[in-house]
Amino acid sequence: AQSVTQLGSHVSVSEGALVLLRCNYSSSVPPYLFWYVQYPNQGLQLLLKYTSAATLVKGINGFEAEFKKSETSFHLTKPSAHMSDAAEYFCAVSRLSGGYQKVTFGTGTKLQVIP
Amino acid sequence: GAVVSQHPSWVICKSGTSVKIECRSLDFQATTMFWYRQFPKQSLMLMATSNEGSKATYEQGVEKDKFLINHASLTLSTLTVTSAHPEDSSFYICSASSSGQILATEAFFGQGTRLTVV
Repeated sequence: AQSVTQLGSHVSVSEGALVLLRCNYSSSVPPYLFWYVQYPNQGLQLLLKYTSAATLVKGINGFEAEFKKSETSFHLTKPSAHMSDAAEYFCAVSRLSGGYQKVTFGTGTKLQVIP
Repeated sequence: GAVVSQHPSWVICKSGTSVKIECRSLDFQATTMFWYRQFPKQSLMLMATSNEGSKATYEQGVEKDKFLINHASLTLSTLTVTSAHPEDSSFYICSASSSGQILATEAFFGQGTRLTVV
């Protein structure tokens, strides 16, 4: 069984401030972990993924996330928020099952960036 | 990179009609495709998993006779919402996964289809 918990359905930050979106996972096997961003009425865009290589993962648009096994966490950060970062962010965990990746999503965190 | 194309991006239909949504992997062979439904301000809920050439596996609570899934080739899966009702209005997203070594670490998502039943 696998699951992810995203703490905070809404996060507001000022433009230029640090962005921190929290994600904790539960998985019975070593997980693959992902962060996706979704803009209104659009699909999902992959920000970054962890696949058991480096624990600090750098993604697109200046985002990064650190895999901490001891804390079962995979929090997403960005040093300085831009207005264009306002969107919904989903943490996801997947495992290889029957030759394919079975993905479980968190409930999402809506990021608001205040000018 | 791997690209998944979903069509149409939005559709409005009358209650009682059927609507077909296509999901295509453009540059890789998708051995498995997934269909998700997303209600407003909620996360993605997996509806079904389909493997090429075999019947789809539906998640608990999803009506297989209402949401018909066909995965006839390694690059195309379709979701047909039959006898649509207003409560079927939602955002539907597909994703595709490959068993190929390089692509097997993630699933790739389409852009979604906004279905509105009036």
